[in-house]
Amino acid sequence: SYELTQPPSVSVSPGQTARITCSGDALPKQYGYWYQQKPGQAPVLVIYKDSERPSGIPERFSGSSSGTTVTLTISGVQAEDEADYYCQSADSSGVPIRVVFGGGTKLTVL
Amino acid sequence: QVTLRESGPALVKPTQTLTLTCTFSGFSLSTSAMCVSWVRQPPGKALEWLALIDWDDDKYYSTSLKTRLTISKDTSKNQVVLTMTNMDPVDTATYYCARTQYSGSYFYFDYWGQGTLVTVSS
Repeated sequence: SYELTQPPSVSVSPGQTARITCSGDALPKQYGYWYQQKPGQAPVLVIYKDSERPSGIPERFSGSSSGTTVTLTISGVQAEDEADYYCQSADSSGVPIRVVFGGGTKLTVL
Repeated sequence: QVTLRESGPALVKPTQTLTLTCTFSGFSLSTSAMCVSWVRQPPGKALEWLALIDWDDDKYYSTSLKTRLTISKDTSKNQVVLTMTNMDPVDTATYYCARTQYSGSYFYFDYWGQGTLVTVSS
């Protein structure tokens, strides 16, 4: 099945490094994307095509891919990074398009 | 500057049809490679992609909801409309429209509207 699995929660202290993983069988063939969502707000794209960072996203956000897992790394975590993070992938090579989101990971900054 | 804004009813009754409008600026759906999607998020739950329309008026739908969804565009008004038939309480969610980058090798949402909460209740 086309699913993405994330840990429900990750906790780090300010200044430390947070790593959020996302696993799925299709990830070796498809890109992974990451969105940050703060309470009551719309998602914001923070990583696209596994490791590309959109303009305006701080350099402390980075992404990587290895096998069936993509990882979002936040270096030097700040209090403002506390949010839910969702990974996403898609098989858009044909029809029907299959788009899937992970269940989300709540990042808590201690 | 790219912006998107969703509008529509906050409350619909079960079995009714929901119609949502996305009004956007900063890009045109008559420009090659431009696409807009609808994504929803039930309270406290994950995101779910619903549908996409592209500059060439091609339309793609979530396989699980395909029979209930229709997406269309009015390029002159910079609007995309989503209709969902036979609404049920489980369809209660915040509905987002999002500009979508799409090709055969990538698919992601680079700009999002603020979302509109739709509650399905009698």
